[in-house]
Amino acid sequence: AAGVIQSPRHLIKEKRETATLKCYPIPRHDTVYWYQQGPGQDPQFLISFYEKMQSDKGSIPDRFSAQQFSDYHSELNMSSLELGDSALYFCASSLDPRGATNEKLFFGSGTQLSVL
Amino acid sequence: AQKVTQAQTEISVVEKEDVTLDCVYETRDTTYYLFWYKQPPSGELVFLIRRNSFDEQNEISGRYSWNFQKSTSSFNFTITASQVVDSAVYFCALSEANSGYSTLTFGKGTMLLVSP
Repeated sequence: AAGVIQSPRHLIKEKRETATLKCYPIPRHDTVYWYQQGPGQDPQFLISFYEKMQSDKGSIPDRFSAQQFSDYHSELNMSSLELGDSALYFCASSLDPRGATNEKLFFGSGTQLSVL
Repeated sequence: AQKVTQAQTEISVVEKEDVTLDCVYETRDTTYYLFWYKQPPSGELVFLIRRNSFDEQNEISGRYSWNFQKSTSSFNFTITASQVVDSAVYFCALSEANSGYSTLTFGKGTMLLVSP
């Protein structure tokens, strides 16, 4: 079965650069979620989209923005990168915005962002 | 206040030992969902189980079992006859009605090291 696809798998950037992470949800899923996991930390919710509209917002910095496109894939854009942005970024998708009500809530394999 | 507490930061066992990972949660909602995820060294988040707050039945899946007790707000995870491949960080997570079940709040994780 198709899973949540994230690209790239790894990304290395310099301070003050920009980065774009992509997430392709499971087919027919209309909701995507972004989480950030710092080194040795638990995943923290950033933002979610349902039917191409922002549905929920967590601890996402103003330097970050995201959107969901007509094909339901989502992109997380990060500007003016800082060393502290180095983290594993996960995307998850679900059939509707009540993600936890899905029998299983799957995450992508994550994008490891390293800011040097 | 932390909503999901995994008091054990790290546990080390020898192969074939049984091990229990503790999870205590806090919520004012009467309806909520609890999850366990496994994060092996490769980094991906692997879904293990989802439990609805109305379903207190314990569950067993192979060597894995879960003990959900609302009276103590705990959702503990036991691995029987542990194997080296069980070495990973295990996260307990909560999703609540007041968030529309849209996001997960993770515990800090328990790192399990299984040695041969």
